[in-house]
Amino acid sequence: QVQLVESGGGVVQPGRSLRLSCAASGFTFSSYGMHWVRQAPGKGLEWVAVISYDGSNKYYADSVKGRFTISRDNSKNTLYLQMNSLRAEDTAVYYCAKDLITMVRGVLLNTGFDYWGQGTLVTVSS
Amino acid sequence: DIQLTQSPSFLSASVGDRVTITCRASQGISSYLAWYQQKPGKAPKLLIYAASTLQSGVPSRFSGSGSGTEFTLTISSLQPEDFATYYCQQLNSYPPVYTFGQGTKLEIK
Repeated sequence: QVQLVESGGGVVQPGRSLRLSCAASGFTFSSYGMHWVRQAPGKGLEWVAVISYDGSNKYYADSVKGRFTISRDNSKNTLYLQMNSLRAEDTAVYYCAKDLITMVRGVLLNTGFDYWGQGTLVTVSS
Repeated sequence: DIQLTQSPSFLSASVGDRVTITCRASQGISSYLAWYQQKPGKAPKLLIYAASTLQSGVPSRFSGSGSGTEFTLTISSLQPEDFATYYCQQLNSYPPVYTFGQGTKLEIK
């Protein structure tokens, strides 16, 4: 069965860095795009970043662009999020999620996030 | 960027009720819309993708419809386990920015 397990969260001071990991199993990791999504305490979901199946394409939300870097190691079935220059507003539960790929009018497209990890809490506070 | 607005933000209903949640996009997104259910302390769960396709294992009382800028999630007969927060998400923009709606909290009346 598909499993996504995040790790690396914790308490960090503003301006410092943290790296999150997401260990994947139960599917061919190297065939799917992967995402990071976060949720601030008591708030809604915010998409953070996506990386293509082979790591060649990466896109970010404006709120993290230039500070966060998404990466993957397909040999280790692991997704990463390097978070630099952390701010109080980055405090959230961070989830990794897997692309759902669907054939739409003859083209394979991402049509949702079908598996999610349990989340890891990042708290940015002095 | 494409914005999604859900209505209502809060909904109070009883077991057995039929409920509908609406998601409006700031510009047309064809059918590239997904719906998720989230319970407290848990990760979101995919319910519907491509606006109207039921994800495997999701009960048939859930259904989705719409295209372009207006979409609906309907629960035909509420069950106790359906009380949760629901989010829509668009997957149409390029470069990718997979916006979520603000959420609809469904509570027991």
